[in-house]
Amino acid sequence: GQQVMQIPQYQHVQEGEDFTTYCNSSTTLSNIQWYKQRPGGHPVFLIQLVKSGEVKKQKRLTFQFGEAKKNSSLHITATQTTDVGTYFCAARWAGGTSYGKLTFGQGTILTVHP
Amino acid sequence: EAQVTQNPRYLITVTGKKLTVTCSQNMNHEYMSWYRQDPGLGLRQIYYSMNVEVTDKGDVPEGYKVSRKEKRNFPLILESPSPNQTSLYFCASSPISGNSGNTIYFGEGSWLTVV
Repeated sequence: GQQVMQIPQYQHVQEGEDFTTYCNSSTTLSNIQWYKQRPGGHPVFLIQLVKSGEVKKQKRLTFQFGEAKKNSSLHITATQTTDVGTYFCAARWAGGTSYGKLTFGQGTILTVHP
Repeated sequence: EAQVTQNPRYLITVTGKKLTVTCSQNMNHEYMSWYRQDPGLGLRQIYYSMNVEVTDKGDVPEGYKVSRKEKRNFPLILESPSPNQTSLYFCASSPISGNSGNTIYFGEGSWLTVV
C-alpha cells in the first residue's frame, strides 16, 4: 500500500533550539494533516495542508506543503518543554483513493531538555 | 462537550474470546475510523466509515470487524483475538464537509492485551 515516510524517528533538543520533522511520499498527495500526541495521550489535530506550496503558521509552528505535493514539514522555532511529544503527519492520496483512507507516518518523538 | 468516547479503556483478555470495543461520538460526524498504534509503526488504519451502513477496509483490517448501524456509534469487533492484536486502539471521527473542515477528533484510546 501507499506509505508516507517520516523522519527523523527521534529528536532530542535543548530548550530554545529549533526542531523540524519531515514527511515524504513517492506519489502526489491530496492533502496532509499534522498531529501532536503527548506522552500517554491521544493524537490531537494541528492543521491540514491542501494547496501546493502552502505555508501555514501557528505561533512557533510552521507547516509547509511541497510544490509537488509529495512532501511536507513541521518546524518548531525555539522549542519549549511543552512541545514534548510525538508529531505525526497523516496523508490522503490523489487519484481516486477514497477520502476515508488516511495513512499516518511513523511519527517523530521529540524530547526537549530544559 | 464534543467528544469521542471509547470503552473499555483498558482490557486484558484471553486468546479466542470475542470482544467489542465501543466508540461513540456526539458531534454528528459522518466519518469514523479505527486505528491501532504500535511502537515504531505509528497509527495504522483498521477500518473506516463514511456514513451509516458504509464501511471500508483500512491498511490492517485482518482479524477485525466493524459495523455502522447508527451515525454516532462505530464498534470494533475482535471475533477471535490473538496476541498480535495486543495494541493501543484509537477511534476517531470527523465531519466530511462544512466549516469545520476535516479536523479529526480522537478518543482517549483503549489499551488491549491478549494473552
